[in-house]
Amino acid sequence: ILNVEQSPQSLHVQEGDSTNFTCSFPSSNFYALHWYRWETAKSPEALFVMTLNGDEKKKGRISATLNTKEGYSYLYIKGSQPEDSATYLCAFLPGNQFYFGTGTSLTVIP
Amino acid sequence: DGGITQSPKYLFRKEGQNVTLSCEQNLNHDAMYWYRQDPGQGLRLIYYSQIVNDFQKGDIAEGYSVSREKKESFPLTVTSAQKNPTAFYLCASSLVGGQAFFGQGTRLTVV
Repeated sequence: ILNVEQSPQSLHVQEGDSTNFTCSFPSSNFYALHWYRWETAKSPEALFVMTLNGDEKKKGRISATLNTKEGYSYLYIKGSQPEDSATYLCAFLPGNQFYFGTGTSLTVIP
Repeated sequence: DGGITQSPKYLFRKEGQNVTLSCEQNLNHDAMYWYRQDPGQGLRLIYYSQIVNDFQKGDIAEGYSVSREKKESFPLTVTSAQKNPTAFYLCASSLVGGQAFFGQGTRLTVV
């Protein structure tokens, strides 16, 4: 069983604050790293698919970086809004299987 | 619209019964997956399939069975051998190595 860790487990921030989360994964046998957003009562949806060391992806106020050599990825949210409240999951793919972290639950307080 | 559909949304099972959870996708994805989520835990892989008529056990396959007779369908049976089946079950599909698309989940409760 591969160990994929996310921190923090939960986070409460004020509207307008910027925040970031961490995903740690094994540094060997890397194929891809995915980030998903999972809103309450909805299905998880992909945010980013990252495959190259040093990759940086951006979608609006959300961005992610990847370091495959040391086995971590950061997700950043700039100027958090209440609609950003969700659980953010990362998934490590050494091949065709997904190994998910336990997620970071973000609550943005208006 | 393409997507992945799970049914039912809620399911109640009596002790000793087998129940089957449905997962259907029309995304033409080769790979399909079943995950289980328990409170405070992440998604744990039960079974996955990368091609029709072939599937592999995940980390927690004991007490579960699957079939993949059609590309679109990957039903999960929770058997009476699964001692603690109450959980949230999530089905997903993907192109091999691509992003996962998820169903809306089935919440199974043993009564």
